[in-house]
Order: sequence, then structure tokens, then C-alpha cells
Amino acid sequence: GQSLEQPSEVTAVEGAIVQINCTYQTSGFYGLSWYQQHDGGAPTFLSYNALDGLEETGRFSSFLSRSDSYGYLLLQELQMKDSASYFCSNGSSNTGKLIFGQGTTLQVKP
Amino acid sequence: DAMVIQNPRYQVTQFGKPVTLSCSQTLNHNVMYWYQQKSSQAPKLLFHYYDKDFNNEADTPDNFQSRRPNTSFCFLDIRSPGLGDAAMYLCATSRDRGRANIQYFGAGTRLSVL
Repeated sequence: GQSLEQPSEVTAVEGAIVQINCTYQTSGFYGLSWYQQHDGGAPTFLSYNALDGLEETGRFSSFLSRSDSYGYLLLQELQMKDSASYFCSNGSSNTGKLIFGQGTTLQVKP
Repeated sequence: DAMVIQNPRYQVTQFGKPVTLSCSQTLNHNVMYWYQQKSSQAPKLLFHYYDKDFNNEADTPDNFQSRRPNTSFCFLDIRSPGLGDAAMYLCATSRDRGRANIQYFGAGTRLSVL
């Protein structure tokens, strides 16, 4: 089976850096991806790690360690608009399916 | 702009009255997905199409059906909606099965059941 664990809530202040961790157990691993979802909106793809290491996209970075079954999303220079839910997920190239973690609600305070 | 479009954005139906939600895409992606998402929960996959190949999740109720008449369109039919079916329904696409990690979502249809 597959499961992804992430914290349910994180709070940070504007301008700060926050890290959202994700640990996973999967029968087959095909990379870790991250999605952002604002309240009432649709998930939006942020980042994808197929291999170990850091991927950087503007203020957002994502990291993967396959030996540790662990990854994280790093958000820098936090802005109020970053308040949203963030999902780590694992997609299977065999089945074509994406399994989501339960999501982390990030609240950015002034 | 290429995108995934869902109609309607909001749908209100009566208990037991069939409803159809629609999704179209201009990305020319092979795979289309339907998810159900309830408040404060992760999206839950209902089924997906790889081209015309239909893949149903084992725990998707028989009440939910889907059609994909062509590459661009996909429909979700709820034959007899119950109160527990009130949720956000999300359509998504990916270029192919190998790129399941990168999906493009529509804005969703919020279904209310009275």
C-alpha cells in the first residue's frame, strides 16, 4: 500500500521561511510532487522530485531523500497569499494514479 | 490559454435526482481523472481514463459513472445523489501515465444535495 504523512497545520509569520515535511511508505516509488490549494480553489502543481536532491522554483524548493523515504517543501520569504493547504503526493507511472497526503494547512500571519 | 474547464462551478441537486458534471481540456492530455474532495480532506480518486481505457477505483460507489466520448471531454454522472455525495468534484489531466505526478486541475464543481 501507499501512505504519505505530513503535519496537519503549520503557522509562520510573513517574511519567514517554513518547511513542510512529508514521509512516505509506498510499494513502488515514482517521485514526490507537491500541490498548493487555496481555500475553495483547485490544487495547483508546485514541484516534483523524481531523484534525490533539491529542486528550486522561485521562492519554493522541494527536497527528496529516497533512502530516508522523506521529502520536504521549503517556502521562503513567506507572503500572506501563501496561506493555503499543501499536499505531498506520489504518482505511479504504472497505474497513472496520484496518491495524496492528508495536507498541511499553512497559516501566514502578519 | 490551454486549460482544464469544469462546468458548472456550482451545482445544486435534489436527493436522488441524477446529475452530470462536465470537464473539458485543451491540453490534449491522454489521461483524465475525477476526484472527490470533502472539506479539510485530500482529493480522493474516483476513476481515471487513460485514453479510452477506463480505470475504476475499488471503493468508488456504483452510483458514480463516467464517460469520455473523446480526448477533450469527460463527464461524471451521479445516478442517485445522496447527502453524503455533497462535495467538491475535481477534474484533472496528465500528459500520460508516466507523468501522473504532474496533474493539471480544473477549478472544480461544488455539488450540493438538498
